[in-house]
Amino acid sequence: NAGVTQTPKFRVLKTGQSMTLLCAQDMNHEYMYWYRQDPGMGLRLIHYSVGEGTTAKGEVPDGYNVSRLKKQNFLLGLESAAPSQTSVYFCASSLRTSFAGELFFGEGSRLTVL
Amino acid sequence: GIQVEQSPPDLILQEGANSTLRCNFSDSVNNLQWFHQNPWGQLINLFYIPSGTKQNGRLSATTVATERYSLLYISSSQTTDSGVYFCAVVGTTDSWGKLQFGAGTQVVVTP
Repeated sequence: NAGVTQTPKFRVLKTGQSMTLLCAQDMNHEYMYWYRQDPGMGLRLIHYSVGEGTTAKGEVPDGYNVSRLKKQNFLLGLESAAPSQTSVYFCASSLRTSFAGELFFGEGSRLTVL
Repeated sequence: GIQVEQSPPDLILQEGANSTLRCNFSDSVNNLQWFHQNPWGQLINLFYIPSGTKQNGRLSATTVATERYSLLYISSSQTTDSGVYFCAVVGTTDSWGKLQFGAGTQVVVTP
């Protein structure tokens, strides 16, 4: 049972480059989320999705785009990477909204932007 | 928004010791979870516990929702218990249910 899987686990980018982080879950969860974790800032919500084909902004959405074309996948894109986007990114999913549902996290993706 | 305070911020334990971590929150909650972030960065679910008491091996948790706090108990600690423990809640007044994380308790268990 894989749960929530993120790829890649590590990536180094130059300023201005683009990339996509992929999150896949095999638990048939409706809700999926992208968080970033920075020292002293805790986990902050970037974007989330309440179902296939729908996405919404979280706390810190600027500089990121997302897509949820298939229920099991949630993609996070950086169109023009900036050093401020150096962070550890976590994907999560839940059966229902986090209002009442239990969140399960992926292993994280460490991104460095030079 | 809802405020989440965890204490203590840091904890050093000798292997075999017991400890209690606390999570206070400023408003009523519909959701409360405890996570362990291990030294490799993985976030692992410990408990989904908006109210009541649960136990899983050497770990147990209690949430007293009416008094706005939750406790995580670690008994007979092991070096593998090292890491950061996060409490996260969803306030009843949150518009869509955003999980708000506390700052965490850094636990170091020494052999």
